[in-house]
Amino acid sequence: RKEVEQDPGPFNVPEGATVAFNCTYSNSASQSFFWYRQDCRKEPKLLMSVYSSGNEDGRFTAQLNRASQYISLLIRDSKLSDSATYLCVVNLSGTYKYIFGTGTRLKVLA
Amino acid sequence: DTEVTQTPKHLVMGMTNKKSLKCEQHMGHRAMYWYKQKAKKPPELMFVYSYEKLSINESVPSRFSPECPNSSLLNLHLHALQPEDSALYLCASSQSGRGNTGELFFGEGSRLTVL
Repeated sequence: RKEVEQDPGPFNVPEGATVAFNCTYSNSASQSFFWYRQDCRKEPKLLMSVYSSGNEDGRFTAQLNRASQYISLLIRDSKLSDSATYLCVVNLSGTYKYIFGTGTRLKVLA
Repeated sequence: DTEVTQTPKHLVMGMTNKKSLKCEQHMGHRAMYWYKQKAKKPPELMFVYSYEKLSINESVPSRFSPECPNSSLLNLHLHALQPEDSALYLCASSQSGRGNTGELFFGEGSRLTVL
């Protein structure tokens, strides 16, 4: 079983749609959680950190469920520019190890 | 604009060449990382330096040799690479302090092609 699992997609959605991604992690020592966005042939860029109480940044909402060991990302009112790969990243407590999920590809269609 | 700078952006080398990738950050971060990323795969950790000391080596072949000359700089020396080493090499940094390393900041990467 992979340490961090994501549905690879692709998710093809029309502009304006709401889309949700899930990510599960297996190591209960996981402490910090992030969603990164990566465009084709570019570096990963932080989209948002994920906090225990859940957090929102504009059209993006992240949730963490420690009991079930999963993280979610909700994108509302999808834009063409949201097309990218979304990487779920988990940092293990007390270490410099960041574990990456395989990424979920999103294509927003006009 | 990224606050982690990598050079060169592109590198083509033969299997007998020696080359180096360079990375610089001025955010005061004390942890620096090298990742390797192949197409359609997530980044894979290679090395971590913490306070200029090698903290993690993920069983990387010795043809890759990291160096951390000071807290702002990280190099990756390349020698006798194989074509399968062709990939995007990403440098990253984070705050130090076990238990609170924060987010990773990535450079734009160096795209390496080994002929």
